[in-house]
Formats: sequence, C-alpha cells, structure tokens
Amino acid sequence: DAGVIQSPRHEVTEMGQEVTLRCKPISGHNSLFWYRQTMMRGLELLIYFNNNVPIDDSGMPEDRFSAKMPNASFSTLKIQPSEPRDSAVYFCASSPRGRNEKLFFGSGTQLSVL
Amino acid sequence: QQQVKQSPQSLIVQKGGISIINCAYENTAFDYFPWYQQFPGKGPALLIAIRPDVSEKKEGRFTISFNKSAKQFSLHIMDSQPGDSATYFCAAITASTGANNLFFGTGTRLTVIP
Repeated sequence: DAGVIQSPRHEVTEMGQEVTLRCKPISGHNSLFWYRQTMMRGLELLIYFNNNVPIDDSGMPEDRFSAKMPNASFSTLKIQPSEPRDSAVYFCASSPRGRNEKLFFGSGTQLSVL
Repeated sequence: QQQVKQSPQSLIVQKGGISIINCAYENTAFDYFPWYQQFPGKGPALLIAIRPDVSEKKEGRFTISFNKSAKQFSLHIMDSQPGDSATYFCAAITASTGANNLFFGTGTRLTVIP
C-alpha cells in the first residue's frame, strides 16, 4: 500500500497566484481530510469529505480556499489568490469507513507564498 | 479555544530515560484518545490510542496512562532512544458518534540525546 500521496512536496509561489494541491487517498478509505499545520496554530482541520461529498468545511479560512473531490481517488485544495499568510504545510489524510479517529496522513505540501 | 491542552512544548531526555508528555481535556463526550508521532518532513502517524474504559495501555516501550476523573492522559516512552526524537501530538474525538473532528494538542518536540 502506497499510503496517502500528496503533490507537490514543495510549492513556492508569489502572492496573488493560484495554488493547487493534490491528494490521492488510500484505496478503500471513504473519508478524506485536509489539514493545515503552522507553528502558531498547530494542526487545523480545513475540510472533511465523506464518500466524496464535502461534509464540514467550517475550517476553510476564507473564500479564497476551495476543495473538491471528483472521485474516490483524488482531491484538490485550491487557493486563489494566494497570500503570504497562507504559507504552511498542508496535509491530506484519509480514514477507513466509520473510523474517523484513525487518520492516515500524507507527507504534506510545504507551501511558501512570497 | 483549545479542546486538548498539551505540555510540555519541548522535552529533552537522555538515551535510556523516560519521556513523559501530558494532555488534558474538558469535553467528557470524548471517547477515543490517540497519540500521533511526526518525524520532520513527514505527516503525523498514529502511534497508540486508548479508550476511557481502561486506565492504561501499553505497546512496547510506549504507554498511555488515562485518568478519567481528572480528564488527563499522558504518554510515557520508556528507555527512550534517539530514534524516538520527533514531535508528539495527543488528540481526542467522540468516535462513537462518527464525529469527523479529531482535536489535536499543540505538540511536544522530543529530543533524545545519545
């Protein structure tokens, strides 16, 4: 099992540019989560999908952030336009059916917005 | 408001010593308490977890102690090794309701000195 796969590993962009982060969850997992990690705020849940449907997006900071899950094996998190305060590590995680307490994280995308 | 409070922020332990990380919570509805381990450049990974119907759970050198009345739980790493150097996060969730939000502590950076 390859685990949760995220791309890119690193992204450096300029303020105002569009950024798209990608995630492939573990096959068979039906829940997908996007988290953001910063030194100041720790791990923050941004959005949660169950069976490809967004269930809870209350953690999405602003309308500049959007997430999609077009099928069970792919999700994207988009920031448009990006700002320097969006700089963080973004993690995608998936969990087996009915086991939201057991998260499997990807290796993250280190985003730097200059 | 931090749902799970974790201390210390950082910890330095000699090889062979005992590492102890503490967490506290307020929400008595929480019914699953996992610990995650994160190495630099990687996502958090589930290490060990406990339910509130037991006071202790041990897996190898890692032990969780749980005090339901005090609403506190702690991770003990016996015979700490340099390879244990990582950031440790405690967490809590109401798993029985299928809740999606795993509340994380702020993390403890453990350094084990050879």
